[in-house]
Amino acid sequence: GENVEQHPSTLSVQEGDSAVIKCTYSDSASNYFPWYKQELGKRPQLIIDIRSNVGEKKDQRIAVTLNKTAKHFSLHITETQPEDSAVYFCAASGNTPLVFGKGTRLSVIA
Amino acid sequence: DTAVSQTPKYLVTQMGNDKSIKCEQNLGHDTMYWYKQDSKKFLKIMFSYNNKELIINETVPNRFSPKSPDKAHLNLHINSLELGDSAVYFCASSHLNEKLFFGSGTQLSVL
Repeated sequence: GENVEQHPSTLSVQEGDSAVIKCTYSDSASNYFPWYKQELGKRPQLIIDIRSNVGEKKDQRIAVTLNKTAKHFSLHITETQPEDSAVYFCAASGNTPLVFGKGTRLSVIA
Repeated sequence: DTAVSQTPKYLVTQMGNDKSIKCEQNLGHDTMYWYKQDSKKFLKIMFSYNNKELIINETVPNRFSPKSPDKAHLNLHINSLELGDSAVYFCASSHLNEKLFFGSGTQLSVL
């Protein structure tokens, strides 16, 4: 089955700097790669997703890149703000339900 | 209107008890799930139901029994609760295996 590895597990950045979170997946049949943000005490919420026929997608300060050959995808957050502080999860799916990475706790220091 | 709703939000109970968590979605999705999030925040799938049929049952003890009366509902019943069952349980739904919409979670504490 699918296995998703996510790094780093924790990340601290200064407000205004960029943050990058990386994930790798194992199943070449996976074709859908979402990113979820979970604030303390709340449910995970989708922030951006990408499909395997696209290499990059951007939504304001958030972008995701996908390298199907290397089986890795990354989340980029630019101009970070304190409200970006949360746990971020990558995930992958294809023929099976979403498998999540172990999460990255992002702290944006004002 | 809440897309995926689950109740209760908090559940505190003694070891050995039996408890249930209810989940309903009004998105018209064909697939519903239960995920468990432990204290380290790992999100792990427990069950997946498609149109009321069990598709996936990960290595979950048989004390956990999902029940889907129709494709808008997926309830989770837990027998003989153990300390290690303490976690946050999320219900979710999606169309096929894509965008998951999560419920607000049920924080289960077994004393």
